[in-house]
Amino acid sequence: GENVEQHPSTLSVQEGDSAVIKCTYSDSASNYFPWYKQELGKRPQLIIDIRSNVGEKKDQRIAVTLNKTAKHFSLHITETQPEDSAVYFCAASTTNAGKSTFGDGTTLTVKP
Amino acid sequence: GAVVSQHPSWVICKSGTSVKIECRSLDFQATTMFWYRQFPKQSLMLMATSNEGSKATYEQGVEKDKFLINHASLTLSTLTVTSAHPEDSSFYICSARDLREVPDTQYFGPGTRLTVL
Repeated sequence: GENVEQHPSTLSVQEGDSAVIKCTYSDSASNYFPWYKQELGKRPQLIIDIRSNVGEKKDQRIAVTLNKTAKHFSLHITETQPEDSAVYFCAASTTNAGKSTFGDGTTLTVKP
Repeated sequence: GAVVSQHPSWVICKSGTSVKIECRSLDFQATTMFWYRQFPKQSLMLMATSNEGSKATYEQGVEKDKFLINHASLTLSTLTVTSAHPEDSSFYICSARDLREVPDTQYFGPGTRLTVL
């Protein structure tokens, strides 16, 4: 089955700096890669996603890049703010199967 | 985006009792829902895929008789933890696929915190 590895497990940055979280996956059939933000005690919220036919996608301060050949994808957050502090999960799935395999999560702390 | 609700949001029960958790898609129909378990500071562990009108598909290592799943309608899936024990205490989260979106996005419920005494 699919295996997703996520790094780093914790990340601390100063407000205004950029943050990068990286994930690798094992199943070449995976074609959909969402990123979720989860605040303590709350549900995961989809923040951005990318399909395998696209190399990069951007939404304001958030961007995701995908290297299908190397089987890795990354989340980039620019101009970080304290409210960006949360746990971020990457995931990989095939759209037909629907079920996602999640990375172990990255706890991001943005210091004011 | 689509809305998924869960009930109850938290429950405390005695060891040996059964607990039912409901997952509802409020503004869309979901032929497929997923049940996850999450331990503190850990990732989401998929327990099973709930399919409307058919049997659930359980992940390896998840006891079918322990975690009963019923997906009786296009908007409701239930997870029943039978004969609960303290080790079943966890945060249970469901998600539902909104097939109106391409790719079909998963939307998560708010989660149910189960504490077994």
